[in-house]
Amino acid sequence: AQSVAQPEDQVNVAEGNPLTVKCTYSVSGNPYLFWYVQYPNRGLQFLLKYITGDNLVKGSYGFEAEFNKSQTSFHLKKPSALVSDSALYFCAVNTNNQGGKLIFGQGTELSVKP
Amino acid sequence: KAGVTQTPRYLIKTRGQQVTLSCSPISGHRSVSWYQQTPGQGLQFLFEYFSETQRNKGNFPGRFSGRQFSNSRSEMNVSTLELGDSALYLCASSPTAGARSEKLFFGSGTQLSVL
Repeated sequence: AQSVAQPEDQVNVAEGNPLTVKCTYSVSGNPYLFWYVQYPNRGLQFLLKYITGDNLVKGSYGFEAEFNKSQTSFHLKKPSALVSDSALYFCAVNTNNQGGKLIFGQGTELSVKP
Repeated sequence: KAGVTQTPRYLIKTRGQQVTLSCSPISGHRSVSWYQQTPGQGLQFLFEYFSETQRNKGNFPGRFSGRQFSNSRSEMNVSTLELGDSALYLCASSPTAGARSEKLFFGSGTQLSVL
């Protein structure tokens, strides 16, 4: 079965420090991987995606993610965290050829303290 | 360009009632999908519509249904509400269907509380 795992419910980081939010996946075939962010009382916003090609993907708001096929991981990273980055982050994978049907991880709450 | 619009924003119902939620996609987007978000189960796919046809369906009981109109607007209906249906229901749109690589544009959701 296709699945996505985010092993950390919460990540705490000091402002200015680098951050990593972890994601591993299990799918058959080539994965299409996504990161979305959710701010309180809002829907999800797209951050970045990996389809093919360069394993390091750059996205919105200074975020980037590294695709590692051997470790089946797609960790989200940012060199210097901001307090405004505090939000709920979701990793997701697309499983078939018909768009829309994403399988999401459970989400990781990122808290950035001043 | 306006984003994905979901109405109503909040809804309170009692067990046994039915509810209809509405979603207007971004202008020009023809695919609409629905997700249920709960603290316990996280985000779960409900269904996806494209050109008024349901293309994908998640693992939810038949009490959950949806449709899409010719203008791409979509509604989802939940009949015989149960306490466990309390959730944030999110709608997302994308320009086309069939592209695994497309990002989704989400609305702010409808928060449904079942008492």
